[in-house]
Amino acid sequence: EIVLTQSPATLSLSPGERATLSCRASQSVGTYLAWYQQKAGQAPRLLIYEASNRATGIPARFTGSGSGTDFTLTISSLDPEDFASYYCQQRIDWPRSTFGGGTKVEIK
Amino acid sequence: QLQLQESGSGLVRPSQTLSLTCTVSGGNISFGSTSWSWIRQSPGKGLEWIGHVYYGGTTTYNPSLARRVTISVDTSKNRFSLRLTSVTAADTAVYYCARDDIGASGKGFDPWGLGTLVTVSS
Repeated sequence: EIVLTQSPATLSLSPGERATLSCRASQSVGTYLAWYQQKAGQAPRLLIYEASNRATGIPARFTGSGSGTDFTLTISSLDPEDFASYYCQQRIDWPRSTFGGGTKVEIK
Repeated sequence: QLQLQESGSGLVRPSQTLSLTCTVSGGNISFGSTSWSWIRQSPGKGLEWIGHVYYGGTTTYNPSLARRVTISVDTSKNRFSLRLTSVTAADTAVYYCARDDIGASGKGFDPWGLGTLVTVSS
């Protein structure tokens, strides 16, 4: 099973600041990695697919990058609605995909 | 706009069977390049893919749950279902259904249902 490790577990930032979230895979997943946003009490929402492609309707302030084992989700300037948890998911082992443990972006 | 909605029992006794249904609206469950998944989220284990089904009935399960899981599809009612047998407290979680593209190059789980909390307790 491919293990995804996300860091940090919690990120405390202010609105307008830049957020940088990391996802590291236990073995190469190529670019078959997706990112999801989950707000409290809601289902996850697809943000990024194939490492760097924004899903439909996702603002340009969200950027995904990386390949192989190291991936980054960057939020260029945090909007109040961006404070949420974020999860990465590998798809190279599809359909047996796995998720990372998540990063919570909280208001400082 | 495609929407998914989970339904089923929110409380299951230990050793009994968990049963949930996901009803798909705004689209046809028989769409060819799509699979239909169940995913759960618990505080202890995070997000865990349970398994999926194609409209033709072909399934794949998470190996860690395969002995206890059955996922089926009813195209006439545009819905698919989850059965998990011999449940324990470790199966307490929010259960989501979601649409997925086929293959590693697919986009990902989108959309998701709202989720339903299932508690295993006597």
